[in-house]
Amino acid sequence: EDQVTQSPEALRLQEGESSSLNCSYTVSGLRGLFWYRQDPGKGPEFLFTLYSAGEEKEKERLKATLTKKESFLHITAPKPEDSATYLCAVRTGANNLFFGTGTRLTVIP
Amino acid sequence: KAGVTQTPRYLIKTRGQQVTLSCSPISGHRSVSWYQQTPGQGLQFLFEYFSETQRNKGNFPGRFSGRQFSNSRSEMNVSTLELGDSALYLCASSLVGPESNQPQHFGDGTRLSIL
Repeated sequence: EDQVTQSPEALRLQEGESSSLNCSYTVSGLRGLFWYRQDPGKGPEFLFTLYSAGEEKEKERLKATLTKKESFLHITAPKPEDSATYLCAVRTGANNLFFGTGTRLTVIP
Repeated sequence: KAGVTQTPRYLIKTRGQQVTLSCSPISGHRSVSWYQQTPGQGLQFLFEYFSETQRNKGNFPGRFSGRQFSNSRSEMNVSTLELGDSALYLCASSLVGPESNQPQHFGDGTRLSIL
């Protein structure tokens, strides 16, 4: 059964304290993995697409990496404005898109 | 460039009623998907439309239906509302169909509350 699991469910960091969020998946044929950021009361905002193991993408303080079984979203020196829920989604070989339940990140000043 | 627009933003209904939600995709986008988001289940896929045809369907009862118009705008209908249908309903658009593997861009959703 296709499954996407994100951990931890919630993460509290001090401003400047770097960390990583995990997205592990078991799907039949990975066609792409997507990271989104969702603020309260808003829809998810697209961040990155990763297509194959070994690929990396960066944007400001965020860096996404992909292996054959999981993806990491590394947050370097986070700021309070990075507080949000981060979602990952996997598109399978059958073109289905499965979302994880997200990691709720809180960055404390 | 305008993003995905969903109307209305908030809706309150009672059990047994029906509701229609609307989504206008980003200009030029031809694929529209609908999701239900609840605190316990996260984002659950409802259906995906491309060129007015339903391309994919999630595991929801037949009370949930949708359609897409020739201008790519989409509507979602839920009949015989139940308390469990209370959720944030999100619409997402992408340039072309799922085969292209492009990212989806989301609207801010319609918050549906069932009393």
